[in-house]
Amino acid sequence: QSVLTQPPSVSGAPGQRVTISCTGSSSNIGANYDVHWYQQLPGTAPKLLIYGNSNRPSGVPDRFSGSKSGTSASLAITGLQAEDEADYYCQSHDSSLSGSVFGGGTKLTVL
Amino acid sequence: EEQLVESGGGLVQSGGSLRLSCAASGFTFSSYWMHWVRQAPGKGLVWVSRINSNGNSMNYADSVKGRFTISRDNAKNTLYLQMNSLRAEDTAVYYCAREPAAYYTMDVWGQGTTVTVSS
Repeated sequence: QSVLTQPPSVSGAPGQRVTISCTGSSSNIGANYDVHWYQQLPGTAPKLLIYGNSNRPSGVPDRFSGSKSGTSASLAITGLQAEDEADYYCQSHDSSLSGSVFGGGTKLTVL
Repeated sequence: EEQLVESGGGLVQSGGSLRLSCAASGFTFSSYWMHWVRQAPGKGLVWVSRINSNGNSMNYADSVKGRFTISRDNAKNTLYLQMNSLRAEDTAVYYCAREPAAYYTMDVWGQGTTVTVSS
């Protein structure tokens, strides 16, 4: 059971918009620690997608955006493409654990 | 190109030990905090351990505390994970990752090395 809670799966048709939620608690997201998002394509290492709640590293398309409010965060993907089919993970820091915590991951299926 | 390359994985019996290495290149290794993250077969990412830039401050997940030791050699641009008293549930792909300043995130990842613990 992960400290951060994500839906196991989401799906959408090409061109549509999907969102993935990430719910934490007062010792991580609610303690004002940033939320970060990673994309993991099948058989590859994770790739940083969003950092500091809403910032995109160089090279990440602006179809990907992040937001945070209270003890939750969200990743939005607009204009879905087949290549977006992957697992997505949120991550934050937890003060009570003195370490990083991940969500359980969300599998995105492009229909 | 900023790169991390893990090595040292393999098959080990329950109760055994293994040392993983992560060789860094293309950036000033000694300036960054570093992490180990693992992923069991078919499962999600789990944070394992973190070390500060000069190697004198370490944190561990409860599941590995007392069994795993993270360390680094800044002269060799290498991160290590010494894993003792290995259990079947430690079977996973182990990734090393770099933490950029001020964000508690991981912006560069290695390709991973596989550890299999047989019971």
